[in-house]
Order: sequence, then structure tokens, then C-alpha cells
Amino acid sequence: GEDVEQSLFLSVREGDSSVINCTYTDSSSTYLYWYKQEPGAGLQLLTYIFSNMDMKQDQRLTVLLNKKDKHLSLRIADTQTGDSAIYFCAERRNTGGFKTIFGAGTRLFVKA
Amino acid sequence: GAGVSQSPSNKVTEKGKDVELRCDPISGHTALYWYRQRLGQGLEFLIYFQGNSAPDKSGLPSDRFSAERTGESVSTLTIQRTQQEDSAVYLCASSLLMNTEAFFGQGTRLTVV
Repeated sequence: GEDVEQSLFLSVREGDSSVINCTYTDSSSTYLYWYKQEPGAGLQLLTYIFSNMDMKQDQRLTVLLNKKDKHLSLRIADTQTGDSAIYFCAERRNTGGFKTIFGAGTRLFVKA
Repeated sequence: GAGVSQSPSNKVTEKGKDVELRCDPISGHTALYWYRQRLGQGLEFLIYFQGNSAPDKSGLPSDRFSAERTGESVSTLTIQRTQQEDSAVYLCASSLLMNTEAFFGQGTRLTVV
């Protein structure tokens, strides 16, 4: 389809790992992003991965990319209550112009 | 300025009126983007500018929407004859180049009554 797809909700216990999944649409997309939106705040870029990489790790965050299946995931280790937010997956498409298309966002609930 | 600035932060308007939303990007950023976020939904791409030029306007929801950018700086998004379905948060972002990190403003919350 045309949309970047994500599950809408994820609930985890504090200290557990969170895995947020995303499927994107354009195999020529060179950059894939994860943004975080906290309540009442703007969007913050968490991390990104270039399409020739399979994995990128940044402290508690691990991004996995399966280019064949156009599947992207974000793993948050040792999830904290401060990680509660909406996480948006986005792809930078190279076809039809340089548009960054976002998914609908996954709302992460962290239970103490 | 230090970040992307949008004004107004909140706007309530009557159905049928025109509204103008403003975005001040980070100084020196050549790319500027507009998105719409309806309540409980994801980000909907509207339009991007490379310099003052908007190569692709197909994301604009209808011909009531228009956008311009001048001096490779400020951009305005204009919605004519507003409808209730236009109620949303309108987010602006800018990036140094097309393929670099985009920084978002806080958004303008538009409510059409």
C-alpha cells in the first residue's frame, strides 16, 4: 500500500524491552527515521538508519532494518516511564520527490 | 532563531473564514516542510520547499490550501474558506539540506468552529 504502517499501541512494564515495528513502502527510500513525540511537545528525532545498514545501536536504542521485507523496528532496552510517548516511523522517499512520509505512530505505555 | 518557530500556537476560527499559519525555520535551512496531524492520527505530508520552490504540491488536501516561501526563510500556509475537517495541528519542519535531520516546530493548533 501507500502508507507507512505501525501498530497503534504497545504496553510494557518498566525495565522490560520495548519493540516497535514498522513497515514502509518504497524500496528506494534511503533514510528511515524514528521520531518521538511526548505529550504536549513537538517531534524529536530519536535515530535514523541509512538503507545500506542492517542495524544501528545508540545507547538503549537498537534499530533493525530488513530491506527485503521493508520492515523497520525500534528496540528500547530497559524501558523507563519517561519513554512513554508516541513513536513515529518515517521513510524518506526518493521517488516522486523527496517526501518524508510518516506512519500513524505507536503509543507506548510504560507501567511502573 | 534557535529552533523552528510557528505562529500562532493556537487559532480558533469560524467556518468559512481564511487563516494564515506562519513558520520561521532555522536560519540557513534550505528545506522546509508542512505536515498536518489530526487528532489521534499520524502525520500527513502536505508540501515541502527546496529554497523558495515547491516541486510537488500534490499533498495539499484541496485547492483551498496554498503555501509559499520567500527569501528562503519564512513560509506561510493559507487555508481559505476553512471547514471543520481542517481542524488539526499543523506542523512545520526545516532541515539544512533535503537529506539531513528535520527539526520540528511546536505546531499550530487550528480549531474550526
